[in-house]
Amino acid sequence: KAGVTQTPRYLIKTRGQQVTLSCSPISGHRSVSWYQQTPGQGLQFLFEYFSETQRNKGNFPGRFSGRQFSNSRSEMNVSTLELGDSALYLCASRRWTGGFDEQFFGPGTRLTVL
Amino acid sequence: TQLLEQSPQFLSIQEGENLTVYCNSSSVFSSLQWYRQEPGEGPVLLVTVVTGGEVKKLKRLTFQFGDARKDSSLHITAAQPGDTGLYLCAGDRTQGGSEKLVFGKGTKLTVNP
Repeated sequence: KAGVTQTPRYLIKTRGQQVTLSCSPISGHRSVSWYQQTPGQGLQFLFEYFSETQRNKGNFPGRFSGRQFSNSRSEMNVSTLELGDSALYLCASRRWTGGFDEQFFGPGTRLTVL
Repeated sequence: TQLLEQSPQFLSIQEGENLTVYCNSSSVFSSLQWYRQEPGEGPVLLVTVVTGGEVKKLKRLTFQFGDARKDSSLHITAAQPGDTGLYLCAGDRTQGGSEKLVFGKGTKLTVNP
């Protein structure tokens, strides 16, 4: 079974631009979560989608948005990029396993904002 | 305030040594997961512990969930250079909160040959 895939793996943008990241969950998983990881803050939760609906949202500004399609693939968009948005963006798909959730992460997209 | 505190933050040891990493909280979790992450890659799930007092073993790694389901530990026996990485714990909240899984900031382990 293929794992979680994320594209692109690396991205360089300049301040003010916007970016769209893509995530394909493990086949059969309907929940997708997005995280931002930086050395100082660790893993911070952005949002979670389930069956095309945003189920939870973290404390990030409105410049960060996402969506999920009917095939469970998800995209994340960041508008008006700032230097502080440079980070590893991770996507995770979730499966319910006999009473508890397990999350499986993709390799991430390394975003650098210049 | 970090909901899940991991200690130590950094650990550098010699091959063959034993080590323990801790994950502590004042909150109760329905389950707790441990991950290992290598530079530039996503975290890889190692184990999920669910029952208070549960102990799980994965080769040289031993995971324990506290009786009250508020803390956990990871013990590595005879560490090898391949164990090098960032170890993350993540707790599944039983109630409330905008995020279901909360992560600690991680323990960066370096095992020197």
